[in-house]
Amino acid sequence: GQNIDQPTEMTATEGAIVQINCTYQTSGFNGLFWYQQHAGEAPTFLSYNVLDGLEEKGRFSSFLSRSKGYSYLLLKELQMKDSASYLCAVRDRNYQLIWGAGTKLIIKP
Amino acid sequence: TAGITQAPTSQILAAGRSMTLRCTQDMRHNAMYWYRQDLGLGLRLIHYSNTAGTTGKGEVPDGYSVSRANTDDFPLTLASAVPSQTSVYFCASSDSASGDYNEQFFGPGTRLTVL
Repeated sequence: GQNIDQPTEMTATEGAIVQINCTYQTSGFNGLFWYQQHAGEAPTFLSYNVLDGLEEKGRFSSFLSRSKGYSYLLLKELQMKDSASYLCAVRDRNYQLIWGAGTKLIIKP
Repeated sequence: TAGITQAPTSQILAAGRSMTLRCTQDMRHNAMYWYRQDLGLGLRLIHYSNTAGTTGKGEVPDGYSVSRANTDDFPLTLASAVPSQTSVYFCASSDSASGDYNEQFFGPGTRLTVL
């Protein structure tokens, strides 16, 4: 079967750095997405990786290793507004997104 | 630009009743999707449409039907609601179903409670 694993919850301090990991086992691979979802709101796109390596976008970076079935989202200089759930999703061989259950990130002052 | 709109925002529905959740996008995206999101589970695909006039079944299609008569609209119908269909429903769209990037854009969601 297809499976996306990510931690259920993480806590970090304002101004610090946090890394959210995602491991996947899917039928084929056509890219990996990270989305942010604030409570009661819709998911919004953060990043996309299809080749191995690091993609940097401001305070957020995303890393992919296809051989290890592994990705992480790195958030720097954490702000209170970063408190949200972070969803990892892999596009499989049929170009359908398979979603992880999400990681709830709690930022403390 | 509105992006994607969904209606209603929330609904309480008696078991056995039918209901249509509406979804409209104004981005001229070819592909559209319906997901349900339940606590502790990832988003699960119900149905999708790669282009107007075509639809396909996702991971959890039973009890739901869709149509795609034009590019903009993608309604989801529950023929006879059951309590297990209590969930938050998200409609999403993307420029196409394949190719690089093509991130999905999400509507605000419909919170449905079936009693």
